[in-house]
Amino acid sequence: ILNVEQSPQSLHVQEGDSTNFTCSFPSSNFYALHWYRWETAKSPEALFVMTLNGDEKKKGRISATLNTKEGYSYLYIKGSQPEDSATYLCAFMDDYKLSFGAGTTVTVRA
Amino acid sequence: GAGVSQSPRYKVTKRGQDVALRCDPISGHVSLYWYRQALGQGPEFLTYFNYEAQQDKSGLPNDRFSAERPEGSISTLTIQRTEQRDSAMYRCASSPGESGEQYFGPGTRLTVT
Repeated sequence: ILNVEQSPQSLHVQEGDSTNFTCSFPSSNFYALHWYRWETAKSPEALFVMTLNGDEKKKGRISATLNTKEGYSYLYIKGSQPEDSATYLCAFMDDYKLSFGAGTTVTVRA
Repeated sequence: GAGVSQSPRYKVTKRGQDVALRCDPISGHVSLYWYRQALGQGPEFLTYFNYEAQQDKSGLPNDRFSAERPEGSISTLTIQRTEQRDSAMYRCASSPGESGEQYFGPGTRLTVT
């Protein structure tokens, strides 16, 4: 079992504020780093698949960066909206297998 | 198009009974994964298929758990002689290839009483 850690476990953000949180993963045998957005009672939904050191990906107001040498990725939410409230899961891909972190639960207050 | 579907969505069974959980992946997706997800945790890998071949079953907790994908499409996860500790959300995911993003099904919530 690979150690994928996410911090913080939860955070509360005021609507309109920006926020970011971290995923740390083993720096050896890296294949890809996935980010998923998960709303309770729904299925996790893929946000990004990142493979190269220094990768930056963006989807709307959400973006992510990747540092494979030091083993971390940041997810940023710019101008948070209530619909951004969800748990954000990162997963380290070692060959084909995904090892998930426990997630960061974001609550955006109107 | 249709996403990944799973059935049943909810299953309540008595301890000692066998259960079979079904996953219908997105058509054409080569890779299929089974995960178990405890409350408040991320999905935990159980097993992986590439077409009909079970490439990795290292995440299956013990030999009461088995999975098959005989024709490279629909997959069944079977738990024999269920125990209360087997209660969890069981999710399946499919992917067009081994390295791409995974598309998750809605899950089967299994409760063993």
